[in-house]
Amino acid sequence: GAVVSQHPSWVICKSGTSVKIECRSLDFQATTMFWYRQFPKKSLMLMATSNEGSKATYEQGVEKDKFLINHASLTLSTLTVTSAHPEDSSFYICSARDLQGVTDTQYFGPGTRLTVL
Amino acid sequence: AQKITQTQPGMFVQEKEAVTLDCTYDTSDPSYGLFWYKQPSSGEMIFLIYQGSYDQQNATEGRYSLNFQKARKSANLVISASQLGDSAMYFCAMRREGQGNLIFGKGTKLSVKP
Repeated sequence: GAVVSQHPSWVICKSGTSVKIECRSLDFQATTMFWYRQFPKKSLMLMATSNEGSKATYEQGVEKDKFLINHASLTLSTLTVTSAHPEDSSFYICSARDLQGVTDTQYFGPGTRLTVL
Repeated sequence: AQKITQTQPGMFVQEKEAVTLDCTYDTSDPSYGLFWYKQPSSGEMIFLIYQGSYDQQNATEGRYSLNFQKARKSANLVISASQLGDSAMYFCAMRREGQGNLIFGKGTKLSVKP
């Protein structure tokens, strides 16, 4: 299957700092990427849809000013958690939509574990 | 509203035996896609199998098969010949046609016993 990378795989930061997470599709172009958040032992919750060259679409309840998304190219989307607080600690997973495949499948990155102290 | 239900929070299976993970869904859309993903303890989401709502045959991928019963709105995952490496969380997901994002169930934790 297609490969999606995320960087960093884990990060620990102090409260009040900003953290940037990168999501890259390595062997296909992704006009659409998605950002999910997963709490321990819970399912994935969609945060926002990232479209190349346009503003991201945020799900209800997700603060767009806190979770900044930039989809600057067909292979890269970034999520910046601004002024992070301990409640932002979570597992963040991106996915990229491969429209060129047979089944229009989403491939996920390995995730980023954020811990805010 | 679209919804995915996985009623089995945890399942045990003996190595080399088959196991079925349940998934039911709720949608009024005529066209949709159903997915199964595996999430090991490392956290990555691994795509396993896809079933389109108009597909006539049940999807199969190696040891994975999807028992798709459209009238009952169920899309159970069958894993044959379980292996120890199959121990993981398994998520059923649905995508509305024309939209990209997935709606996930709560997941089933599968434990394979030697």
